[in-house]
Amino acid sequence: DTGVSQDPRHKITKRGQNVTFRCDPISEHNRLYWYRQTLGQGPEFLTYFQNEAQLEKSRLLSDRFSAERPKGSFSTLEIQRTEQGDSAMYLCASSFTNQQFFGPGTRLTVL
Amino acid sequence: RKEVEQDPGPFNVPEGATVAFNCTYSNSASQSFFWYRQDCRKEPKLLMSVYSSGNEDGRFTAQLNRASQYISLLIRDSKLSDSATYLCVVNVGPYSGGGADGLTFGKGTHLIIQP
Repeated sequence: DTGVSQDPRHKITKRGQNVTFRCDPISEHNRLYWYRQTLGQGPEFLTYFQNEAQLEKSRLLSDRFSAERPKGSFSTLEIQRTEQGDSAMYLCASSFTNQQFFGPGTRLTVL
Repeated sequence: RKEVEQDPGPFNVPEGATVAFNCTYSNSASQSFFWYRQDCRKEPKLLMSVYSSGNEDGRFTAQLNRASQYISLLIRDSKLSDSATYLCVVNVGPYSGGGADGLTFGKGTHLIIQP
């Protein structure tokens, strides 16, 4: 499968714990995006990388959130001191043109 | 005002009928426009890009009206497999690196095709 992959697919954690998600984009795509989606809403943009450079961060991305793409390939999204409001689907997308392709997402549940 | 607004539905439509969705966007600087389809508990999948000249892909036709900041999607001869949530999506940012390049999604319109 040469699509965008994300790991893990599901994560259940207790409030206050740290979690880290991984995204592997389509190999020739230089742009990588993170989104968050809650029930009944469309995905909301969090942050964006072009190669290894993080070029934009949404105001939704609080100080507890950090994303990296160290070698311009895979990316990680870390949430520190999770809160119940962080429960959502975290989607990664990649692109080479203006069309973005999404991975299956990581569903986070914070208890 | 939300940046991208859609009627959430649900739209209940008999199989074989034609159905149309609309959405409006608030940022006149928006440069790229798309319809995505999302099945329950799955990721969004690109259905089609939308151009001012209008574009068609099989049973699907998309139209953009920049003056009215309005996007439409028409589905002809609807199939049971068309049941899904349809997300109207705009991209403000220039495709040149930097700037706002994330997609802005509407909440989606839920379509149910009935046999």
